[in-house]
Amino acid sequence: EAGVTQFPSHSVIEKGQTVTLRCDPISGHDNLYWYRRVMGKEIKFLLHFVKESKQDESGMPNNRFLAERTGGTYSTLKVQPAELEDSGVYFCASSQDLGSSSYNEQFFGPGTRLTVL
Amino acid sequence: GNSVTQMEGPVTLSEEAFLTINCTYTATGYPSLFWYVQYPGEGLQLLLKATKADDKGSNKGFEATYRKETTSFHLEKGSVQVSDSAVYFCALRGRDTGRRALTFGSGTRLQVQP
Repeated sequence: EAGVTQFPSHSVIEKGQTVTLRCDPISGHDNLYWYRRVMGKEIKFLLHFVKESKQDESGMPNNRFLAERTGGTYSTLKVQPAELEDSGVYFCASSQDLGSSSYNEQFFGPGTRLTVL
Repeated sequence: GNSVTQMEGPVTLSEEAFLTINCTYTATGYPSLFWYVQYPGEGLQLLLKATKADDKGSNKGFEATYRKETTSFHLEKGSVQVSDSAVYFCALRGRDTGRRALTFGSGTRLQVQP
């Protein structure tokens, strides 16, 4: 079974440009999460999809970030326009839905390293 | 809000040495606690977890005990191997059933030398 995949693995762009990151979750996983690790600091939550709906977007830093999950399958995270402080590693994770009383293990992708110059 | 604090790295050990990576947390109620590991070039993998006080999570020779009185979840291994070299992240998930986001620490890089 394929794991969570992310594309691209690396992206280098200039300030003001637009970048779109893609995440393909494990097949059948309704829950999809985006996280970000900046400058070797803690990994921070960005948002959580359940199927195509945004369940929790409390971690999105500002309106330059737009996440979508069309059809409840893969997800994209667009940064427009990119700023220097957006540099970091963006992780995607997915999980099944076993009910709120159970821990639904989050399976992570390898991340996309974004560098904004 | 929730937060996780873990010791800064890198931690450099010789093979077969004893490992401890400290982790403390701040959270309302009784969160679930986790250790994730990231090997070079790979995504984060769940290493072990504990969901209530005094639970001990264990996997691949690693252990961590949920200590409510000290709000800690320290990671230990009796004898590390070169293959354990990785970045280790302590994390928690709060009891708010409507929110499934994980709160992570800053990660601790472990380097094991032969």
